[in-house]
Amino acid sequence: GAVVSQHPSRVICKSGTSVKIECRSLDFQATTMFWYRQFPKQSLMLMATSNEGSKATYEQGVEKDKFLINHASLTLSTLTVTSAHPEDSSFYICSASDSLNEKLFFGSGTQLSVL
Amino acid sequence: GDSVTQMEGPVTLSEEAFLTINCTYTATGYPSLFWYVQYPGEGLQLLLKATKADDKGSNKGFEATYRKETTSFHLEKGSVQVSDSAVYFCALSSSNFGNEKLTFGTGTRLTIIP
Repeated sequence: GAVVSQHPSRVICKSGTSVKIECRSLDFQATTMFWYRQFPKQSLMLMATSNEGSKATYEQGVEKDKFLINHASLTLSTLTVTSAHPEDSSFYICSASDSLNEKLFFGSGTQLSVL
Repeated sequence: GDSVTQMEGPVTLSEEAFLTINCTYTATGYPSLFWYVQYPGEGLQLLLKATKADDKGSNKGFEATYRKETTSFHLEKGSVQVSDSAVYFCALSSSNFGNEKLTFGTGTRLTIIP
């Protein structure tokens, strides 16, 4: 079946550095991808929705200049956490919409730890 | 706004025990309801869904019924197996297959011991 590949699965970085997370749809074209994050003991919260070739739509309270989303092709979306700080430490997960088959697929998530 | 309240875990059961994971929701309109499961090291996978009131979703022995009157979508399984150990997420969406914004619960970690 369709698979969404998300990398890296775990990353540790120093405060002030930037981290890029990739999300790829392996055997379908994803015109829409979603980025979520989950803090400990809280719900998965939608951060932004990205459509291929256009600017991402961010949820209220999510800083677009801090969380850069690029969806340049139908199979790849990236989330860059710029100038990461310890409060950005979280579990980030992407999902990709296979509209043709009316299915939604998730990556396995990235655990970000900022020291 | 929309919200999902899910039974807090972790939940530990013996094999062949009966499972219930509670889920209630608050939403405007008539959302579709979903249960997703995440096995270790894998992405969330759709387990089952229901798109209208009184619908029952079922898959792999799991069931959940869309109860509009109690705004609930509790997950049940009659006899759990070790392979059911995973994290379970309840969610809602305004679309039938969730390709629009999904609102999730906190997730419930389930561990089944032999």
